[in-house]
Amino acid sequence: AQSVTQLGSHVSVSEGALVLLRCNYSSSVPPYLFWYVQYPNQGLQLLLKYTSAATLVKGINGFEAEFKKSETSFHLTKPSAHMSDAAEYFCAVSDRGSSNTGKLIFGQGTTLQVKP
Amino acid sequence: SQTIHQWPATLVQPVGSPLSLECTVEGTSNPNLYWYRQAAGRGLQLLFYSVGIGQISSEVPQNLSASRPQDRQFILSSKKLLLSDSGFYLCAWSGQGYQPQHFGDGTRLSIL
Repeated sequence: AQSVTQLGSHVSVSEGALVLLRCNYSSSVPPYLFWYVQYPNQGLQLLLKYTSAATLVKGINGFEAEFKKSETSFHLTKPSAHMSDAAEYFCAVSDRGSSNTGKLIFGQGTTLQVKP
Repeated sequence: SQTIHQWPATLVQPVGSPLSLECTVEGTSNPNLYWYRQAAGRGLQLLFYSVGIGQISSEVPQNLSASRPQDRQFILSSKKLLLSDSGFYLCAWSGQGYQPQHFGDGTRLSIL
């Protein structure tokens, strides 16, 4: 079965510093991958998606992620953190065989804290 | 453009009372629909999903049920709420194929 692992349930960075949120997946075939952001008491918002085109994917709010098949990783990065980036981030992978259901498998989430 | 509406935003209910949360999607047809629960400090738990009217799949046995009476309407229900039903409930939709899911703003349910 597919799975998603987000390394680090909490990440703290200073404002202006690099943001790196780690995501590893397990899949026997190339997956479709997604990153979502969740602000307090809100739903999840799609940041970016990988659908087997370019391995470097650019998303909203200055975030990007790189698909590395050899490392089975899809880490999320942003060059310079802003206070408004403080939120919960979720990595997700499409459940293979789920093209008719659209089910996703979510990681447990990483809370990003941005210090002034 | 597509939009998803979920209500109410917050709900406080006594133990043993019934529940009905509603979710509607606009601007698309035949979406896949999902109900998730997010307990405090925990990840997302998929409760139900639906690929069409009247078609409901349950992911975990529980005190809740779901229905899809219309193409773009998804309802989460309970006959008698338990304390353990407290949480943040999220509705989502997706298109066909390997598409991202799009989420509503959620309902914060507190059971007293």
